[in-house]
Amino acid sequence: DTGVSQDPRHKITKRGQNVTFRCDPISEHNRLYWYRQTLGQGPEFLTYFQNEAQLEKSRLLSDRFSAERPKGSFSTLEIQRTEQGDSAMYLCASSPSLLSYEQYFGPGTRLTVT
Amino acid sequence: AQSVTQPDIHITVSEGASLELRCNYSYGATPYLFWYVQSPGQGLQLLLKYFSGDTLVQGIKGFEAEFKRSQSSFNLRKPSVHWSDAAEYFCAVGVIFGAGSYQLTFGKGTKLSVIP
Repeated sequence: DTGVSQDPRHKITKRGQNVTFRCDPISEHNRLYWYRQTLGQGPEFLTYFQNEAQLEKSRLLSDRFSAERPKGSFSTLEIQRTEQGDSAMYLCASSPSLLSYEQYFGPGTRLTVT
Repeated sequence: AQSVTQPDIHITVSEGASLELRCNYSYGATPYLFWYVQSPGQGLQLLLKYFSGDTLVQGIKGFEAEFKRSQSSFNLRKPSVHWSDAAEYFCAVGVIFGAGSYQLTFGKGTKLSVIP
């Protein structure tokens, strides 16, 4: 069990550019979550996948944000036309079977938009 | 809508002293409650959780928390703090949106500093 991994760990981009983050959940975890954490705040829920299906999206997930989880394995989160307000830590979490309610978090990707 | 309040932004304690971090929640149904710890450069680590049953729950690293429905609270405690406990602590409520699936709503966190 290697834990949830995220790549890259840090990303600096210029306003207006597109960025993509990757999350690899713990093996056989069929539930995957994305959260965003800004400075001085707790994480905020963005979206949820069960296998390859995106079942929940927060109103925080504007049209510039898109997430995918092809084949129900890794997931990607893309932000188009980045804005300075997108600067944050993007956290991924995964959860195992129906009987378990624990979410295991990855180390996060820190995005800085200049 | 659900919410979590952590009234203390920053707490400083001496090593060996006891610790209590406060957490109040607002949620219309039976809450699933969690405490996570976040160290610099690290992801969130689950300390303990409450789903039902005994209102005093034990977690990792010697932490415990008590659920008090009448006070809508889920305070985290540790009898003797170690320098390695210095980190940021987040309380969260799980909002169910399907069997086995939920989103976490977090408080703003309490930063713990430990004086040697």
